[in-house]
Amino acid sequence: EADIYQTPRYLVIGTGKKITLECSQTMGHDKMYWYQQDPGMELHLIHYSYGVNSTEKGDLSSESTVSRIRTEHFPLTLESARPSHTSQYLCASQKAGGTYNEQFFGPGTRLTVL
Amino acid sequence: SQELEQSPQSLIVQEGKNLTINCTSSKTLYGLYWYKQKYGEGLIFLMMLQKGGEEKSHEKITAKLDEKKQQSSLHITASQPSHAGIYLCGAPPSGSARQLTFGSGTQLTVLP
Repeated sequence: EADIYQTPRYLVIGTGKKITLECSQTMGHDKMYWYQQDPGMELHLIHYSYGVNSTEKGDLSSESTVSRIRTEHFPLTLESARPSHTSQYLCASQKAGGTYNEQFFGPGTRLTVL
Repeated sequence: SQELEQSPQSLIVQEGKNLTINCTSSKTLYGLYWYKQKYGEGLIFLMMLQKGGEEKSHEKITAKLDEKKQQSSLHITASQPSHAGIYLCGAPPSGSARQLTFGSGTQLTVLP
């Protein structure tokens, strides 16, 4: 079983609030990812990191930001949440050193912005 | 960019029936992952295929990658309600792409 955690699992907040979605992994993986997934839809990569102090934007444009100060921690922040941010956010990690190493996924955070 | 198309989009079967889910790539695959996702949760890694013609099995789930490495199939034998969920295929990066590409998923419902 993968050791990757996301909190909170569910979050309902009002428009304009600042929120941070937490993601932690205990596997020592260098690579970490954030995906956004609407119900019944594809996963879209919004951010990734190949190591500490390294972050990049993914394929899907997102108003969120990320940081990678520690290997095990990859939080995602929305400065001012809007209803259009309502979605499921999935965090994943991957061992470096091999293109084909599988990604391990956290349980996800389901965000609803009212 | 590489695209993965899954079929069918959704599938409803009676418990005990066999079923197959397909994943077709627009480009040659250098590897192919299969994941399962329960609604509203994260993805669980099932298996990975790399070589043309490769076949792997885990319990009642068998995945194959065709010789040309452009199509993969996931076959479930004697389906059970516990098999229900969304099955996603994913391809590792190739060419200029740096990240995994995922298919849109197949929603499987198994009726008891």
